[in-house]
Amino acid sequence: GQSLEQPSEVTAVEGAIVQINCTYQTSGFYGLSWYQQHDGGAPTFLSYNALDGLEETGRFSSFLSRSDSYGYLLLQELQMKDSASYFCVLTGRRALTFGSGTRLQVQP
Amino acid sequence: KAGVTQTPRYLIKTRGQQVTLSCSPISGHRSVSWYQQTPGQGLQFLFEYFSETQRNKGNFPGRFSGRQFSNSRSEMNVSTLELGDSALYLCASSNSGTNYGYTFGSGTRLTVV
Repeated sequence: GQSLEQPSEVTAVEGAIVQINCTYQTSGFYGLSWYQQHDGGAPTFLSYNALDGLEETGRFSSFLSRSDSYGYLLLQELQMKDSASYFCVLTGRRALTFGSGTRLQVQP
Repeated sequence: KAGVTQTPRYLIKTRGQQVTLSCSPISGHRSVSWYQQTPGQGLQFLFEYFSETQRNKGNFPGRFSGRQFSNSRSEMNVSTLELGDSALYLCASSNSGTNYGYTFGSGTRLTVV
């Protein structure tokens, strides 16, 4: 089967940088994705790493190391609106396997 | 362009009843997946449809079923509802040419009493 582990909660202040780590176990996957979900909202796609290395999209960056079964999401210049849950997701052929989510609280 | 539309947004059903949820994908997206989100189990994959065929299925009992129509709209049905079926049911659509960047609907909040 597949499983992912990520911290349940992270707190940071506005303007800071925060890194959300994710470790996983899988027998095969296409890539690692990250989704954001605000309370009561739909998960929204943030980034995708098919290959090892860093992918940058504006204030968000994501990293993958297949040899270490590890990835992370880096959020820079934190804003209050970034307070949400963040999920690392193994992208399989036709299904997504979600981690349990990390609740990010951004404080003023 | 319009996003993924799920109806209804909220639903209250009694244990033992059945329920049908609807999902209209983004225009041009032919793949529709369904997920169940609960506080205890998180987001779990139910099934995926493409061109009216179920291509993949998660580990849910047979009470959970779905179908897809020729216009790519999909329905999910849960029969003999149990209290534990209370959850947010999310639908996601994707361009079949990609395996990332799924677009989710806002979900249907089902409460079983």
